[in-house]
Amino acid sequence: GAGVSQSPSNKVTEKGKDVELRCDPISGHTALYWYRQSLGQGLEFLIYFQGNSAPDKSGLPSDRFSAERTGGSVSTLTIQRTQQEDSAVYLCASSQGQLRTEAFFGQGTRLTVV
Amino acid sequence: GESVGLHLPTLSVQEGDNSIINCAYSNSASDYFIWYKQESGKGPQFIIDIRSNMDKRQGQRVTVLLNKTVKHLSLQIAATQPGDSAVYFCAEKAPPGFQKLVFGTGTRLLVSP
Repeated sequence: GAGVSQSPSNKVTEKGKDVELRCDPISGHTALYWYRQSLGQGLEFLIYFQGNSAPDKSGLPSDRFSAERTGGSVSTLTIQRTQQEDSAVYLCASSQGQLRTEAFFGQGTRLTVV
Repeated sequence: GESVGLHLPTLSVQEGDNSIINCAYSNSASDYFIWYKQESGKGPQFIIDIRSNMDKRQGQRVTVLLNKTVKHLSLQIAATQPGDSAVYFCAEKAPPGFQKLVFGTGTRLLVSP
């Protein structure tokens, strides 16, 4: 596609439920990033993929968070047993994967846990 | 993580003024830096980048300055317009691997007509 696409754009879920957030990167981009942004705050790094592997998972807040990427393209971020503090905008970005190229962001998924 | 407190620093300017937004980055070995603009309800948008072998780069109405000695980046916006109002973030590609994109503290720019 022309840009990074994320779905859903908004998600309201009940505390304790699992959610899946999807990211379709720009075609041909080998690097993919997930970030979390709470209201009025900066971007918190969650995980980075190069191809299908995740060399850096250091930002995942707890074992309730996991992510996978298949076929070097689509990625899914899963949050199990959601908590109210998980409420945030989850942003995905992709880049060509070379050392000095910019990352392009999607519009994000706004997750609200009630 | 790299999240910051609830209240982002704010820079208020008049339309037509020049704006300077500053950023301190974290890793002296980082070799690539990007400025992003984020408007309300949208994802960050690329503005300009600079490699560590440069100290200045100019775009259309924007200039980025890099001072590696003090690990400082600045973004200069000439003739600021109301449409420039947004939150601005700097980001660095840090070791190991230089693929992880680390964001700094954002700055909110408010442009008054």
